[in-house]
Amino acid sequence: ELKVEQNPLFLSMQEGKNYTIYCNYSTTSDRLYWYRQDPGKSLESLFVLLSNGAVKQEGRLMASLDTKARLSTLHITAAVHDLSATYFCAVDISLRGTYKYIFGTGTRLKVLA
Amino acid sequence: DVKVTQSSRYLVKRTGEKVFLECVQDMDHENMFWYRQDPGLGLRLIYFSYDVKMKEKGDIPEGYSVSREKKERFSLILESASTNQTSMYLCASRRGGSYNEQFFGPGTRLTVL
Repeated sequence: ELKVEQNPLFLSMQEGKNYTIYCNYSTTSDRLYWYRQDPGKSLESLFVLLSNGAVKQEGRLMASLDTKARLSTLHITAAVHDLSATYFCAVDISLRGTYKYIFGTGTRLKVLA
Repeated sequence: DVKVTQSSRYLVKRTGEKVFLECVQDMDHENMFWYRQDPGLGLRLIYFSYDVKMKEKGDIPEGYSVSREKKERFSLILESASTNQTSMYLCASRRGGSYNEQFFGPGTRLTVL
């Protein structure tokens, strides 16, 4: 069964601290995407990781992909309140002539002032 | 910028009504998707389309149908709405082929009374 697991599911952290969200997946794929979702809103694309060893950074967030370990990480540096949201990873798999996502469970992040 | 729009942000319907959710994208993307998102269940794929007039069932197609008469528009139809179809519905589109991310619309929160 195809599975994409994120941990932790919930994360409460103080401003200024660092933390890492993990995304493990069970199928072969070299394409992984990270999204952010604010309450009641849609998904906003954060990072596109398209090969083994890919690393992308935007502000206080950095994402990486290890396709051999089937693992992606989203690292938060010196968290600020504005980063409070739910973060999803999604793995791309081939399906009937196109590609579809398998989404992770999501990590709800709360940054406390 | 890619833009995916959905016809309504909020919708309230009665049990048994026929409901149409419309999604339009302006970037000439080949692939379009409909998801529903429920607390604790994550994002689940209802239907997708990889070309005009082509449609494929996702993971939870029961109770839904879709229509794609034009490339830019993908409609989700609830033939006879039921209370268990109360949910957040998200449309997404992406360019054909691999290595392309999905772009999401703002979502429609549907309540079926």
